[in-house]
Formats: sequence, C-alpha cells, structure tokens
Amino acid sequence: DAKTTQPTSMDCAEGRAANLPCNHSTISGNEYVYWYRQIHSQGPQYIIHGLKNNETNEMASLIITEDRKSSTLILPHATLRDTAVYYCIVRARATSGTYKYIFGTGTRLKVLA
Amino acid sequence: GAVVSQHPSRVICKSGTSVKIECRSLDFQATTMFWYRQFPKQSLMLMATSNEGSKATYEQGVEKDKFLINHASLTLSTLTVTSAHPEDSSFYICSASRQGDTEAFFGQGTRLTVV
Repeated sequence: DAKTTQPTSMDCAEGRAANLPCNHSTISGNEYVYWYRQIHSQGPQYIIHGLKNNETNEMASLIITEDRKSSTLILPHATLRDTAVYYCIVRARATSGTYKYIFGTGTRLKVLA
Repeated sequence: GAVVSQHPSRVICKSGTSVKIECRSLDFQATTMFWYRQFPKQSLMLMATSNEGSKATYEQGVEKDKFLINHASLTLSTLTVTSAHPEDSSFYICSASRQGDTEAFFGQGTRLTVV
C-alpha cells in the first residue's frame, strides 16, 4: 500500500492560508490522493480528492505535483474551526477488488487567533 | 451528503464480556464497509473491509476470531469485540462506501472502555 508522510504539526494564523504538505512517493498511477480531517473525538470528515489535476471545492484546494509524488492541501482562509488533524490518504485497491483508505500519521493543524 | 451512524457512541463493559458495535448507512446502500481502531493521539488503523454478503477481509495482525465482523445487509455492519480486555479499549470508527462512490463516509465513532 502506498504510504504517506506528513509533518506532525503546524500552526497557522487565523485568516491566513494553511498549506499542508504530503509526500506519497510510492503512489501508483491509478491511485487517488484523498484528504480527510478529524476534529477531536469525531469521525473523519472528507475534504477533497484528486488523481493528477489540481482540484478546488468550497472547503479547500488540492495541488498535486506533476510526478504525483507529493501534494499540498490549501485552506485559503483558515478559521479557528479548522483546527484539526489532517490526513493525507492514498486510496489503495484491496485484494477483494474494492478500495481501502489507509491513514497516515496526519498533521495536527492549530489555527491561532 | 451520505450519513453513517454508529451505535452506541460510548460503551463500558467488563473484562471478559463481548460487546457489539453497529454501523448503519442511513440514506444509502453501502456495498463496502470499513472498520478502524484509533488509540489516543494516534492515527486510524484499518482493521478490516467487508462487502455485503461475504466474509470480511482482515488486515495483517488483526485477529478475526476476536473482532467478528458481520455485513448482513447493505445498510448494516456490526463489529463484535469478543472476550474484551482493557487493552481493547479504543475508539472504533466505521466507514461506508457505495459502488461508484468517490469517497468513503465515516461514522462518528464508538468509544469502548473495558474495565
């Protein structure tokens, strides 16, 4: 399974952009990059995903490098409610033919007032 | 978005007893459900993947006789922790996806404490 590497923690000032990097150098050609976040003691919340192209939705933007070995999640205007653990995940194909989501260690983002 | 609900949200049980956790997809049919375990300040660890009507596929190192998973219908999967011990105390989270989905939807988690 492709593994992801993220910084353990980051701080970001409220109102500024938060840029969260992720390395996934062993990713296969057809594996997607997903981002989820987890606020304390809750289930993970989907943020965004992508394959090759950069993606944007109402929550965030995802920038994937051309060689697909790394990506960056961008929260354009961080708020205090964005304080959470952010997980970069490579969705892997399971032996059963379905997909499985393998979580890395995540980045603990703290948004500061 | 699709909603996945877990029950109970918290459970305390005595050592040696079994406890069942339910995971339901409320407004969609889940062809695949996943069970994770999370210890404090750690990431989610995938325990098993289950497809409706077939046996679960367990990740390496997860005891299938201890963590019984049943996915009897397209809206319900259960995880039974058998003969629970204090070291089984953890946050258990399920997620579900349907065929063709581009994301998995997660439940709110169940905090199990074995005393």
